[in-house]
Amino acid sequence: GQSLEQPSEVTAVEGAIVQINCTYQTSGFYGLSWYQQHDGGAPTFLSYNALDGLEETGRFSSFLSRSDSYGYLLLQELQMKDSASYFCAVRPANRDDKIIFGKGTRLHILP
Amino acid sequence: DAGVTQSPTHLIKTRGQQVTLRCSPKSGHDTVSWYQQALGQGPQFIFQYYEEEERQRGNFPDRFSGHQFPNYSSELNVNALLLGDSALYLCASSLGGTGQYSNQPQHFGDGTRLSIL
Repeated sequence: GQSLEQPSEVTAVEGAIVQINCTYQTSGFYGLSWYQQHDGGAPTFLSYNALDGLEETGRFSSFLSRSDSYGYLLLQELQMKDSASYFCAVRPANRDDKIIFGKGTRLHILP
Repeated sequence: DAGVTQSPTHLIKTRGQQVTLRCSPKSGHDTVSWYQQALGQGPQFIFQYYEEEERQRGNFPDRFSGHQFPNYSSELNVNALLLGDSALYLCASSLGGTGQYSNQPQHFGDGTRLSIL
C-alpha cells in the first residue's frame, strides 16, 4: 500500500530549530509537498520537492531523498506563530495517482 | 485576488439527511478537489473535478457525489448521512492545465465543519 509516516507531536523552544520527518511507502511519486494548518484554519502550502535535495524558502526548508524514502521539513528561528500541524503529501506516479496526506505532526512551541 | 471560498462554514444535520457543500476556487484556477478531514487526521481525498468532470476519486462510497459548474465552482453532495461523516470538509483549487500529473500546489479553503447528530 501507499502510506506516509510522520511523528504525531514535536515540541521545540522559541528561537530554536526543529525538523519534522516524513517517511513514505509508495512505489513512485511526483514529489513531496508540505502544508501547514493552524487550529480551525485551512492547510496552506509551504514547499514542494520534485527532486532530491534541499529547497529553502525563508525560515523553512524542505528536503527529499528518494533513495531513502524520506523527507523532512526544517523550521528555523522558531516563532510562537509556528505552532500548528504540519502535513507531508505525495502524489503517487501510477494509475491511482491521488494525493495522499500524512496524518500530520503537531508542533508545540515553548517560550 | 479572492482565495478559495467555501459555504457554509458550519452545518448541523441528523442521520439520514442529505447535505450540499459549496466551493468557489481561487481566481484563475480550474481544478477543484474535495477532502474530508477528521479530527487529528490528515485530509483524505474524496474526488477531483476538472472541466466539469470527475477526474479522480478516493475511497469514498457513492453517497458522496459532486459537480463542477462552467465557472469552475463546485458542490459536494452527501446522501444518507452517517455519524461518521462528521468532519471538516475542505475544498482545494489548483491549475490542471498540465494534465492529470499536475503538481501545482493546492490552495485550500477554510472548510465546512459538518456535524451529524
